[in-house]
Amino acid sequence: DSGVTQTPKHLITATGQRVTLRCSPRSGDLSVYWYQQSLDQGLQFLIHYYNGEERAKGNILERFSAQQFPDLHSELNLSSLELGDSALYFCASSVGVGSPNYGYTFGSGTRLTVV
Amino acid sequence: AQTVTQSQPEMSVQEAETVTLSCTYDTSESDYYLFWYKQPPSRQMILVIRQEAYKQQNATENRFSVNFQKAAKSFSLKISDSQLGDAAMYFCAYRKAAGNKLTFGGGTRVLVKP
Repeated sequence: DSGVTQTPKHLITATGQRVTLRCSPRSGDLSVYWYQQSLDQGLQFLIHYYNGEERAKGNILERFSAQQFPDLHSELNLSSLELGDSALYFCASSVGVGSPNYGYTFGSGTRLTVV
Repeated sequence: AQTVTQSQPEMSVQEAETVTLSCTYDTSESDYYLFWYKQPPSRQMILVIRQEAYKQQNATENRFSVNFQKAAKSFSLKISDSQLGDAAMYFCAYRKAAGNKLTFGGGTRVLVKP
């Protein structure tokens, strides 16, 4: 157990639907990052939140949005789902921003399948 | 924009032997961090090793070591005494020192033959 909790682990939904992925960071971590991993590809950065504020955006579609709540958990909302959104969505957390030499602690991911 | 390239889609190694994975990156920054992550079939992302760009000494973690060549923008991973449990996808990643996001390479699949 990495300390980063992602729910649900698996999600199957139809095209056009909306889903919410949830992430609870490791205790003490203020930063939450979301990444998307399509089949057999590297991870693509989506968005970063620090202590409730959005700090950076990557190649995140307009149909996707995220937020970080006062208790530091984060949710990634995906709407108007398309087949191409099927992927593994990772959440990662870290202590802060630009922390020296820290990698991130990743959750186990949510496998989203759009049918 | 920073890019990370892993030119070897797949590498095969005999158990107990050594394998080296290549990674090159492109950046105009002078201070940054480099990482190798392991992703086994469970899909969990596991940090293997990290290197600070300002350190000349190559990082080592047990059987894992890196060869960091800053001028060449190269960051290879050597796995010594390979074990069956080393079979996984390995991703090289970059982060600016004052940055936040990780930029990942496309990954190298490592197969370990008994």
